[in-house]
Order: sequence, then structure tokens, then C-alpha cells
Amino acid sequence: AQTVTQSQPEMSVQEAETVTLSCTYDTSESDYYLFWYKQPPSRQMILVIRQEAYKQQNATENRFSVNFQKAAKSFSLKISDSQLGDAAMYFCACELAFGKGTKLTVNP
Amino acid sequence: NAGVMQNPRHLVRRRGQEARLRCSPMKGHSHVYWYRQLPEEGLKFMVYLQKENIIDESGMPKERFSAEFPKEGPSILRIQQVVRGDSAAYFCASSPITGVPRTDTQYFGPGTRLTVL
Repeated sequence: AQTVTQSQPEMSVQEAETVTLSCTYDTSESDYYLFWYKQPPSRQMILVIRQEAYKQQNATENRFSVNFQKAAKSFSLKISDSQLGDAAMYFCACELAFGKGTKLTVNP
Repeated sequence: NAGVMQNPRHLVRRRGQEARLRCSPMKGHSHVYWYRQLPEEGLKFMVYLQKENIIDESGMPKERFSAEFPKEGPSILRIQQVVRGDSAAYFCASSPITGVPRTDTQYFGPGTRLTVL
């Protein structure tokens, strides 16, 4: 079974700045997938980015990128040029296991 | 292509009643997942199903909860004799047939908020 830990319950960032959300996980699998999901106030979960563990290259999706450190079982999310619409809960997931989330506030 | 649909969006039940939550996956998706989200918590996996099959129900409470995904129609999460502790948001997600279901990107519905009085 996988477990996921997000150590930052809340984070804030100034508009246009960069912020990094932390995530660590534990799994006994050698091949697995990692995800970051965004949950805005509307509560609809939206996929932000997906990483396959056997790929060494960090996934990137426009302003969102990850720092995947397989040996350390770390999977942080970097949001560049933060926008007001980025404000939401962000959940890290290792397959079916989700962390408790980080609430991101974007200040104008 | 319509997204994952869940209904009702809000459901109020009194203790002891039954709650039925419905989920229609995206067109072409064959796998459905159910999660529960308690206030201030992340999502907790409950069950995932293929048409007419339960693949993994390791997160499902042993009593009062059941799920099905019939050949025709939506997936149903059924909670019998609800208690106040069942109050939560219940999310459904679906994924297409592309390899190992647990690794596929999941597309989430808007959730059903269950309140037990």
C-alpha cells in the first residue's frame, strides 16, 4: 500500500512569483505513477500533472513542473508565474493514495 | 464529450436511512473509482470497479457500504443505515482502458456532499 505525506497545510505566494509544494510518498512498487491534482473552491478535482516513476525526466505542463527524486521518494510541484486562478487545494497522489492537501493562497 | 457526472450533488439523510450516490463515467471509460473526503482531509480511496466487476474494495468499510457498476447504467455507491460519521463529500472518478487502471489519469466528477442529520 502507498502512503503520501504533504507537510505544508498552507502556503501563500505573491502573484507572478514562484512557489513549491512539497510531497513525499512511500511505496513498495518499483514502477508507479505520481499525480498532482488541484481542487478549487468549486471542489472539482482537476489533474495538474502526471509523472511515471520509470521516467527520469521531470514532467512539465506549462507553468507547472515537478522535481521528482525517486531515491528520496519526493515529488514536489513548482508553480511559476503564479496567477490568482491558481488558488486552490493541491493534492499529491501516488496512484490511489492521496495526501491531505496543501491550501495555496495567491496574493495580488 | 461530457465529463464525469455525479448525482445528486447534495444529499441529506436522517440517521438510519439509505443513501444512494450515482456516477456516470466519461464516455469510453471502463473504470470507476469512489473516494470519500472528510472535512480538512484528503481523498480516501474506497473502491474501484470495472463493468460488472469489483476490482479492488480494500478501502471500503466492511459494513453498510456497497458499490456496483452494472453493464448498463451508472455506478452506484450505496450506504445503508447512515450514521453522522458518514457525512462527507463522495467523489467518483473514471479512467479509460489503457493498461493498468491504477496508473491511469483519473477524471473526477463534481462530488456528492452527503449530510446525515
